[in-house]
This record gives sequence, C-alpha cells and structure tokens, in this order.
Amino acid sequence: QKEVEQNSGPLSVPEGAIASLNCTYSDRGSQSFFWYRQYSGKSPELIMFIYSNGDKEDGRFTAQLNKASQYVSLLIRDSQPSDSATYLCAVKRKLTGGGNKLTFGTGTQLKVEL
Amino acid sequence: DVKVTQSSRYLVKRTGEKVFLECVQDMDHENMFWYRQDPGLGLRLIYFSYDVKMKEKGDIPEGYSVSREKKERFSLILESASTNQTSMYLCASSLPSGGATNEQFFGPGTRLTVL
Repeated sequence: QKEVEQNSGPLSVPEGAIASLNCTYSDRGSQSFFWYRQYSGKSPELIMFIYSNGDKEDGRFTAQLNKASQYVSLLIRDSQPSDSATYLCAVKRKLTGGGNKLTFGTGTQLKVEL
Repeated sequence: DVKVTQSSRYLVKRTGEKVFLECVQDMDHENMFWYRQDPGLGLRLIYFSYDVKMKEKGDIPEGYSVSREKKERFSLILESASTNQTSMYLCASSLPSGGATNEQFFGPGTRLTVL
C-alpha cells in the first residue's frame, strides 16, 4: 500500500463547478497535511495545509480532514481554467530517529473546461 | 520574496559522468531537500539536511550523495550517472520541522537527461 494515494485523473470539471480532489494516507501517526498545486513545467507551490479534523477554508479552496478515515480532500469552488494543474497531496509524519518527513502522492491532474 | 534557485534548468550528461546539481536558498532556512519527479511516481525524496554538514537519506538515496557546507547551499551529486537517473530534480527548503506548517519552497527544477 502506498503511503499517500491519489487518483491520477484527469479530473475534468466545467468552469464554475466544484472540483473535488481526494487523498488517502496509510500512517495513522501523520501529523499534518498539505495541498500543493503544480502547473505544467513548473515547480509545486503550497495552496493549503490542515492538521485538525474538519474543514479549513481559504477563499475558493476548502481542505477537509478525517483522521479516523485517513482521508483528506481539497474542494475548489467556482473552478476557473487557471485552476487547471496537477494537485499534489503531501503528508507530514514523524521519523523514528527524530525529525519528520513530507511524503507526496503522485498527484491528480485537474482540467477545468470552458 | 522567498527564493530557491537551481544551477541549471536543463542538463545533458553521458553515462558514467559525475554530475553536480546545485541549490541555493536565500531564506535562511535550516532544512533543505532533494527530490526527483517522474511520471506516475510523483515526487520522491532522495536526501535531506537539517543543518550544515548534516544529511539524512530519503526514500531513494542509491546512486546519489549530497553536500551541505554552507547553510544556504545544498548540492546533489551523481557519482556515476546512469540512464535511469534521467529525471526532473527539485530542490526545496523549509524552516525547522517543529512547526505544523512545514511549508517547503521549491526551486524551478533541473531536467537532467543522461545519454
């Protein structure tokens, strides 16, 4: 089982719709969770992070975390063509020797169509 | 404005060559990371460093080494490049890991081709 799993997509949504991106993780000791956006040919950039169960909203973006189900999602409301990108889920967990590590999923490609 | 720079955007090397990839950050970050990104495999951690002179193996360290002589600079070394090391290499930096955010700032990437 992969540490962080995402559906690779592509996920196609019409402009103005809600895009829902999902991520599951295997380590129950994971502490915090990140969503990065990566445009084609560019490097990842952080959109949101969440570490408590429930929802966290930032503009058109909402991150949802359910630690019991080991599930984190990203909702994008009023999707725009400029949201078309690959979305990477990343999970932070403690290492046995101290310190911690970020593990990335393989990403979900989102296409917002006119 | 935060900035992570990498020495080359594109690099072509031959099998068996020694390859140096350089990364510099201007944010005074303690942590620095090297990843490679391949289609279908995502971002995989090669090595990371919590401080000057310190290094830790990531998930795929075989065939690589690193050097961190100064806080702002983290180098990835391919001792003898092989074709299966053809990839996009991304450097990142962050503040110490104690905080919840632990945001990693990425450089623009180096696309390495080994012939």
